[in-house]
Amino acid sequence: EIVLTQSPGTLSLSPGERATLSCRASQSVSGNYLAWYQQKPGQAPRLLIYGASTRATGIPDRFSGSGSGTDFTLTISRLEPEDSAVYYCQQFGRSTFGGGTKVEIK
Amino acid sequence: EVQLVESGGDLVQPGGSLRLSCAASGFTFSSFWMAWVRQAPGKGLEWGANINQDGSEKYHVDSVKGRFTISRDNAKNSLYLQMNSLRAEDTAVYYCARGYCSGGSCYYFDSWGRGTLVTVSS
Repeated sequence: EIVLTQSPGTLSLSPGERATLSCRASQSVSGNYLAWYQQKPGQAPRLLIYGASTRATGIPDRFSGSGSGTDFTLTISRLEPEDSAVYYCQQFGRSTFGGGTKVEIK
Repeated sequence: EVQLVESGGDLVQPGGSLRLSCAASGFTFSSFWMAWVRQAPGKGLEWGANINQDGSEKYHVDSVKGRFTISRDNAKNSLYLQMNSLRAEDTAVYYCARGYCSGGSCYYFDSWGRGTLVTVSS
């Protein structure tokens, strides 16, 4: 079973800064079928990115995904206060999720 | 607008049973795979089970196999999770999600309900 490791555990940045979140897989992800979700406290997860780099409907273009094989990245180009959340990656094989990265806005 | 509304969560004793329901609206329910994803308090997300469009394919995570059963009723636009032999480690918020899946794996989940809390404790 593929294990997804997300880093860093917590990211603390100021509004307008760039956030780079990493998701590393223990084996190559089939078809680069990797998705990213945003979860705010007390809310359900929201799909941001699928297929490693395709933005979901209604997702602002400041969110972008990249990567292939075992290394994937979610980039938030210009942080806004409402981006404070936990971000999870998820891969196709048995639908496993990473442990999450918490993004805090200073 | 896609809406998924879960219900049925409760406090139950270890060894007990519970049935979760998810009412779907705003899309053609019978055309989509559906799934249950759970989240233990303060923890990450874990896929629990998924089911294909007509209910002929069902897949469950190893930790719930033989205890939980996913099912659906397309006439009622509803998804279910029958949970038996519940354990403390099953305590979680259970989310209903629409998935894009193939067999026991999902490419992604594009719509989620707000979740229902299951607490297993004596």
